[in-house]
Amino acid sequence: DQQVKQNSPSLSVQEGRISILNCDYTNSMFDYFLWYKKYPAEGPTFLISISSIKDKNEDGRFTVFLNKSAKHLSLHIVPSQPGDSAVYFCAAQGGYALNFGKGTSLLVTP
Amino acid sequence: EPEVTQTPSHQVTQMGQEVILRCVPISNHLYFYWYRQILGQKVEFLVSFYNNEISEKSEIFDDQFSVERPDGSNFTLKIRSTKLEDSAMYFCASRKGVSLNEKLFFGSGTQLSVL
Repeated sequence: DQQVKQNSPSLSVQEGRISILNCDYTNSMFDYFLWYKKYPAEGPTFLISISSIKDKNEDGRFTVFLNKSAKHLSLHIVPSQPGDSAVYFCAAQGGYALNFGKGTSLLVTP
Repeated sequence: EPEVTQTPSHQVTQMGQEVILRCVPISNHLYFYWYRQILGQKVEFLVSFYNNEISEKSEIFDDQFSVERPDGSNFTLKIRSTKLEDSAMYFCASRKGVSLNEKLFFGSGTQLSVL
C-alpha cells in the first residue's frame, strides 16, 4: 500500500537550472510533509518540511510547494548544483511514523 | 553536529540465525525508530519506541522482531530467526520530541545480508 508516491525514479538536470521533484500522497490525514536527501552509504538527512496549513515553504535554494486539493507536493531546487546529486525522498507524517516514497535519484550535470 | 551511530555497517548472516543491530541515538533524544529499505524499494517504517515501550509498529514488525533499550545509550533491533527477505538496509533514527517540527535524524544504516 503506497501512501506516498514518487513516480519519477530518476531526474537529470544541468547545473544552474531548476530541479523539480514531485510527490503524491493518498492519505488526507497526513498533516506534515518532509523531504529527505540521501547520499550513498549514508542515512537520509532532513532537507525541508511543510505543514499542511501552508502551501509553500522556502529555505535558501530549496522550496517545497503543497497542493492539498491535489494531494501533491513538489520540491524545487534552484539553481541546481552538482553537490545536489543524491536520492530525494518525500515523506508524510501520520502518527509517530514517517511514510516514505521510493525516492527520486537526481543527477545534476556540470 | 550530534549524530545517530549504527553498528555494524554490514552484517552477513545465515538464514535462521539471530541478529542484533545496534544503534546509539542522539543523547538528548527521547523517541527512537527503526526503518528499513530493501534494495530498490522505499524506506519502510518498522517500529517506534518511547519511554521504554513500543509506541507504534508496522505489519512488518512481527514476532520475529524485537527492540530494546538495554541501557541509557543503546537501542537495539533483534531479528530472532532471519529470513532471506529480511535482507535490507536497516536505519535507526531518533528525535527529541514528537511534535511535527522536530527533525528525525537517521544513522548511516546497517546493511543486513541473509544468505
